[in-house]
Amino acid sequence: LAKTTQPISMDSYEGQEVNITCSHNNIATNDYITWYQQFPSQGPRFIIQGYKTKVTNEVASLFIPADRKSSTLSLPRVSLSDTAVYYCLVGDLNRDDKIIFGKGTRLHILP
Amino acid sequence: DTGVSQDPRHKITKRGQNVTFRCDPISEHNRLYWYRQTLGQGPEFLTYFQNEAQLEKSRLLSDRFSAERPKGSFSTLEIQRTEQGDSAMYLCASSLGTSGTEQFFGPGTRLTVL
Repeated sequence: LAKTTQPISMDSYEGQEVNITCSHNNIATNDYITWYQQFPSQGPRFIIQGYKTKVTNEVASLFIPADRKSSTLSLPRVSLSDTAVYYCLVGDLNRDDKIIFGKGTRLHILP
Repeated sequence: DTGVSQDPRHKITKRGQNVTFRCDPISEHNRLYWYRQTLGQGPEFLTYFQNEAQLEKSRLLSDRFSAERPKGSFSTLEIQRTEQGDSAMYLCASSLGTSGTEQFFGPGTRLTVL
């Protein structure tokens, strides 16, 4: 399973774009990159998943360079409600049975 | 069916008691996962089922823990002789089991062992 490294915490302000980068140097050929969001006392919520290049949905964008050794989650125009922990996962959630969440990035949005 | 549900949401028990948690996955999902999460940490994998078969168990799952998914639908996680170190959020997730698809998490059961 590929190990991931992401910042422990980040602060930003409402209305700003937030980019959270995750490093995964030993990503395997068949691995996907998946991001989850978790609010206190709730289960993680799927945000976005990608394999290469760029993926965009109604919530976020995911940028993956050609070597796939890192990825960047981009949250456009954040609000206070985006304050949460964000986890970067690398692998296939249905092939790799023991998905490792790590400690995630604690994003704090300030008014 | 709007998502994964877990019951109870909160459980307070005394050390040495047995507790049982229930998870109802999304109906068409054949995979069901259990995780444990302590404060400040990410979820840690405990075990998972493919239909009714339990296919993998983490070393975190001591002999006091047992999980079942008798008919391939809901699952139960039982902790016997609870210890204070068992205090955590227990999360259940389900998925289609198809490569590239995500796991959907329930709201969790918060266990406090006094």
